[in-house]
Amino acid sequence: GQNIDQPTEMTATEGAIVQINCTYQTSGFNGLFWYQQHAGEAPTFLSYNVLDGLEEKGRFSSFLSRSKGYSYLLLKELQMKDSASYLCAVNQAGTALIFGKGTTLSVSS
Amino acid sequence: GAVVSQHPSRVICKSGTSVKIECRSLDFQATTMFWYRQFPKQSLMLMATSNEGSKATYEQGVEKDKFLINHASLTLSTLTVTSAHPEDSSFYICSARTGAAYNSPLHFGNGTRLTVT
Repeated sequence: GQNIDQPTEMTATEGAIVQINCTYQTSGFNGLFWYQQHAGEAPTFLSYNVLDGLEEKGRFSSFLSRSKGYSYLLLKELQMKDSASYLCAVNQAGTALIFGKGTTLSVSS
Repeated sequence: GAVVSQHPSRVICKSGTSVKIECRSLDFQATTMFWYRQFPKQSLMLMATSNEGSKATYEQGVEKDKFLINHASLTLSTLTVTSAHPEDSSFYICSARTGAAYNSPLHFGNGTRLTVT
């Protein structure tokens, strides 16, 4: 079967660092994507990992361990506008993405 | 800027009527587009894969006679919700890849909020 797990909710304060974890068990794997989604809007692409290790892109970084079926998204220097849902998605066989249920992050001042 | 355009953004219809949602790729050709549905506070669920010039591929549990998909050109896919019922009220989002490589991310339209009364 297919299973992608993320925490449902997380809270943090401005300026802090937060790590959102994602574990997956899927029948195929061609990489893992992270998306950000604000309420009522479409998801926007944040990062992609297909090899083990850390990918850094500004305030956001994403890590992948294929042997452990594990990824995390690291957000640094949190801002209020980072309050959103963060979706972990696995790319199966290069076609559609299979999404986890998303993690709702609330950033407070 | 946006690479995928979706229309309408919001629609309210009466139970039993049909609603058509359009998804267009901007400045690129998309032989494949994906339709997702999202219920409140839940994740995106893949409904179907739209293939240009051929039949769509539906996910298990999605009624193909209810959710009609047409992908008549390389830049346009449409989803028609037929005989809509209140339980069809949801956020429908289309997506496409700008490239053929497997690491090419999906780009999403802005979604359509469907409310069936």
